[in-house]
Amino acid sequence: AQSVAQPEDQVNVAEGNPLTVKCTYSVSGNPYLFWYVQYPNRGLQFLLKYITGDNLVKGSYGFEAEFNKSQTSFHLKKPSALVSDSALYFCAVRADRTYKYIFGTGTRLKVLA
Amino acid sequence: DSGVTQTPKHLITATGQRVTLRCSPRSGDLSVYWYQQSLDQGLQFLIQYYNGEERAKGNILERFSAQQFPDLHSELNLSSLELGDSALYFCASSLLQGGNEQFFGPGTRLTVL
Repeated sequence: AQSVAQPEDQVNVAEGNPLTVKCTYSVSGNPYLFWYVQYPNRGLQFLLKYITGDNLVKGSYGFEAEFNKSQTSFHLKKPSALVSDSALYFCAVRADRTYKYIFGTGTRLKVLA
Repeated sequence: DSGVTQTPKHLITATGQRVTLRCSPRSGDLSVYWYQQSLDQGLQFLIQYYNGEERAKGNILERFSAQQFPDLHSELNLSSLELGDSALYFCASSLLQGGNEQFFGPGTRLTVL
């Protein structure tokens, strides 16, 4: 069965420091992996995706993610965090033979000034 | 603004009632997805339509149904409402069936009293 795990409910980081938000997945077949961000009282916004190709994917607002097939992980990273990055981040997966999307439980990122 | 519109923004109703939530996808998008977001269950995929046809079903209750019309707008019908159905319901759209990023609407907040 497909599943996505975001092991941290909350991540705190100081402004200017690098940030990592973790995501691991389980699917049969090749995964389609996504990161979305949700600001308060808003819908989710797409950040980046991995379907095939280079394991390091660059996305919006300076975010990037690294696909690691052996560890079944797709961690979100940013070299230098901004206070405005504070939001709820969701990892999502879709197996290549289905159209079902599974979202993780979300990680709240707090960037402290 | 994602280009996805949802109406109404807020809905307050009583247990046992039936409601209809409406979604208009981004111009040109053929796929529509419905999600339920609640505090205790996170973001749950309900159902997906592509060009009028159902493509994937997630954790959608039998009391819930959806359809996508020829003009590509979609409606989610919730009947015999229970207190536990109170949640934020999101619609998202994408160009194709899968592998594409989804664009989320602002959501409909349903409160069942």
